[in-house]
Amino acid sequence: AQKITQTQPGMFVQEKEAVTLDCTYDTSDPSYGLFWYKQPSSGEMIFLIYQGSYDQQNATEGRYSLNFQKARKSANLVISASQLGDSAMYFCAVTSYDKVIFGPGTSLSVIP
Amino acid sequence: DGGITQSPKYLFRKEGQNVTLSCEQNLNHDAMYWYRQDPGQGLRLIYYSQIVNDFQKGDIAEGYSVSREKKESFPLTVTSAQKNPTAFYLCASSPFLYGTSGVKDTQYFGPGTRLTVL
Repeated sequence: AQKITQTQPGMFVQEKEAVTLDCTYDTSDPSYGLFWYKQPSSGEMIFLIYQGSYDQQNATEGRYSLNFQKARKSANLVISASQLGDSAMYFCAVTSYDKVIFGPGTSLSVIP
Repeated sequence: DGGITQSPKYLFRKEGQNVTLSCEQNLNHDAMYWYRQDPGQGLRLIYYSQIVNDFQKGDIAEGYSVSREKKESFPLTVTSAQKNPTAFYLCASSPFLYGTSGVKDTQYFGPGTRLTVL
């Protein structure tokens, strides 16, 4: 069965510094997609970045990048130059044929 | 602007009553989803629909029902059979069903409905 682990329930980072949010997954499907979403206190889930299991390069989207280590089944999110508006819950998700699983989330707080 | 709307934002229900949550999208997406989120938890899939007039149960479908009569609309009914319905409900849509099209699986979410049973 698919499973996602986000080992950091809560994280703190100083404004303007970089932070890495961990995500490990377990799936037996050879083809899958990895997604990161941000959930501010308002509740809406905001798509951040996508990585396909066959993609050779790590995905990047502005200040977000994904450190994808396929052999270790790891897909960590790196946020560079943190801003106060980055304070939120962050969820890792994996999709494959006929399944989608979300991790438990990591709460990130950016300190001025 | 294209997007997903959910209404109402807050909903209160008495025990034993059915209640329907609205979800509408104008993104022309084929697939739509309903998730439940409990405090401090991730999302759990209730139902999903790949195309009009077709829908499938997710991981926690018991006590819920859906319909997909129009491409734009995917309402969720929380029935009295749902034993613990107090939660945050999120609707999402994607161009194609997850697991089928790579980045086009990306789900876009509505603002959510917070349901409280009194």
